[in-house]
Formats: sequence, C-alpha cells, structure tokens
Amino acid sequence: NAGVTQTPKFQVLKTGQSMTLQCAQDMNHEYMSWYRQDPGMGLRLIHYSVGAGITDQGEVPNGYNVSRSTTEDFPLRLLSAAPSQTSVYFCASRPTPKRYQPQHFGDGTRLSIL
Amino acid sequence: GDSVTQMEGPVTLSEEAFLTINCTYTATGYPSLFWYVQYPGEGLQLLLKATKADDKGSNKGFEATYRKETTSFHLEKGSVQVSDSAVYFCALSEPEGSARQLTFGSGTQLTVLP
Repeated sequence: NAGVTQTPKFQVLKTGQSMTLQCAQDMNHEYMSWYRQDPGMGLRLIHYSVGAGITDQGEVPNGYNVSRSTTEDFPLRLLSAAPSQTSVYFCASRPTPKRYQPQHFGDGTRLSIL
Repeated sequence: GDSVTQMEGPVTLSEEAFLTINCTYTATGYPSLFWYVQYPGEGLQLLLKATKADDKGSNKGFEATYRKETTSFHLEKGSVQVSDSAVYFCALSEPEGSARQLTFGSGTQLTVLP
C-alpha cells in the first residue's frame, strides 16, 4: 500500500537551475496538492489539482509550475531555482474536496538551493 | 481569513507525563478540524479529526474535542511515551473550492525524555 510517493528525497541545486519534483499516488484520489514547509510557518499551499487536466494556484505559486496529465501523477517544476525556494516540499492527496476528508501526505523532498 | 493558532514550542516532558497542546482557530462557516503528527524525516500523518461541534476525535491515546464556543481543539494525552516525540500540527479545512484547502498552525515540537 504505497499511498503518496515523492522523489527524490533530497536534492541540492545551484541558483538558476531547474528541476522537477515527482509525486505519484495509487489511491485514485481526485485532489492533489503541493505544499512547502518552512520553519515556524506550518505548511503553505503552492498549487493544487482537482482532477486530470485541471490545476490552480495556491497561496505561494510564484516560481513553480505544475501539470496533471493523469490521475496518479502531479509533478512540481522549479523553473529557475532561487535560495528562497530552499524548503521541504510535500505532496498530498485526498479522495474528493469534501471538508471532512483528511489529506494523505508523502514523506517529502528536502531541497537546498545554493 | 481563517487562521489557526497553536501553542508555541518546543515542549519537553518526561515519560508518562500529561500532555496538552493548545489550538484555537478563527473560521467562517463550519470547518472540520484535524491534528497531524510529523515524525523525524517523515511526512505528516493524520492523528485524529473532528467534523462538527462537540465531536471528540481520538487515536493512539490522544484526544481532542471540537469546542465551537471557545473555538478550540486542544490535543491531550494522559501518559506520553518517548515514541510520541514529534511535531504536531493543528489544521482546519477551508470551504470547498477554496485555494487553501487546509490552514495549518505553525506546529509544536514535542520531546519526551525517558
């Protein structure tokens, strides 16, 4: 029972480099989201998707792109990495947008931008 | 907008001590409330939830009651163990269709000493 799988677990980039953080879920969930976690700030929503082919911005979308070509996958792209994007990134999913349904989280990608 | 205020950490307790982590919220409508736990190097896991006023969520000896009159959802455990050492996040669900989906508190680091 894999749940939400994120790769890589750790990554170091140089300023200006681009990369893609991978996220896959095997629970057939409609909703998928990307969050970043910074010390003392809880989690903040970057982008989210309500189904294949549909994405939208969250609270802190600048510098990131997403796409959702399948129900299972929801990659997050950093276009030109900046030191301010050093963070821990979490992908999450849930079956539907109902308020009572909790999110299922991956184990995170720890990203450092030098 | 909606917000969650959590007890500042870190919190250090001895094994078998009583735990309370305070959480208060402001929200429009009737949110669902959640406690998530994050063990070192892992993602967030749902600990418990409550979907309406006076509901009590419970799991692994932890409890929290949804108090609408005091807008609180305090986490309690009668006797903590070393294995409970983790970061605990209080969260509320935003209305369906909201970009934020979940609003998190800033997290409380708990360390339990043997």
